[in-house]
Amino acid sequence: GEQVEQRPPHLSVREGDSAVITCTYTDPNSYYFFWYKQEPGASLQLLMKVFSSTEINEGQGFTVLLNKKDKRLSLNLTAAHPGDSAAYFCAVMTGANTGKLTFGHGTILRVHP
Amino acid sequence: GGIITQTPKFLIGQEGQKLTLKCQQNFNHDTMYWYRQDSGKGLRLIYYSITENDLQKGDLSEGYDASREKKSSFSLTVTSAQKNEMAVFLCASSISSRRQNTLYFGAGTRLSVL
Repeated sequence: GEQVEQRPPHLSVREGDSAVITCTYTDPNSYYFFWYKQEPGASLQLLMKVFSSTEINEGQGFTVLLNKKDKRLSLNLTAAHPGDSAAYFCAVMTGANTGKLTFGHGTILRVHP
Repeated sequence: GGIITQTPKFLIGQEGQKLTLKCQQNFNHDTMYWYRQDSGKGLRLIYYSITENDLQKGDLSEGYDASREKKSSFSLTVTSAQKNEMAVFLCASSISSRRQNTLYFGAGTRLSVL
C-alpha cells in the first residue's frame, strides 16, 4: 500500500524565516493531496488540497508544491510567525473508487520570536 | 459551516476496561471515520462508515468495535484497554467516501490507561 514519509519531524525557525516541510509518497496512482495544521489540543484544520500533476498553490503566507513525477509534496511557510507554531500533516489519497487517505507522521514546527 | 463534536475530551480507563468514545457531526456528511493518533506516528484509520449502519475496517481495527447508529453519529469502543496506553482518537467526516472528498476532523478524545 501507499507509504508517506514526512520530513523533518521537528523544525525550529525564527520569526520571519521560511520553513519547508516535505512529503514523499510511493504510489504513482495517488491523486489527491492535503496539508493539515493541528494546534495543541485542537482538531486538524485543512490548509490546502491539490490534485494537478504539478501544481503550486498559494495560501495566506504559505505555498504548496506538488511534483507527481518525483512523488513529492511540500509546504513552504514563506515568513513564519509564532502563530504558525503547530503540527503539520500531509495526507495522500489513493484508491480507484473510494478515497483512502494515508497520513505522514507529522512535523512539529516552532517559530521563535 | 458544520462542526464535529467528540465526547469525552479526556478519558482515563483501567486495564481491561471497555471504553466508548462518541462522535457527532452536523455537516450532514455520509461518511464518518475514526483515526488513532500516536506521537510520531501520524494518523491510522481504525474504522469508517459510508452510511448509517454501515461499517468498514481500517488498518487498525483489531481491538476495536464501532457503531454507526444514525447518520450524524459514529461511536468507537475500545474492547479491552491496554495498560499504559496513551493515544488521541480523532473522528472525521466527509461528504462521501468517493474520490476527492475532504475530511473534516473533530478535536479528539485523549485516552490514558492506568
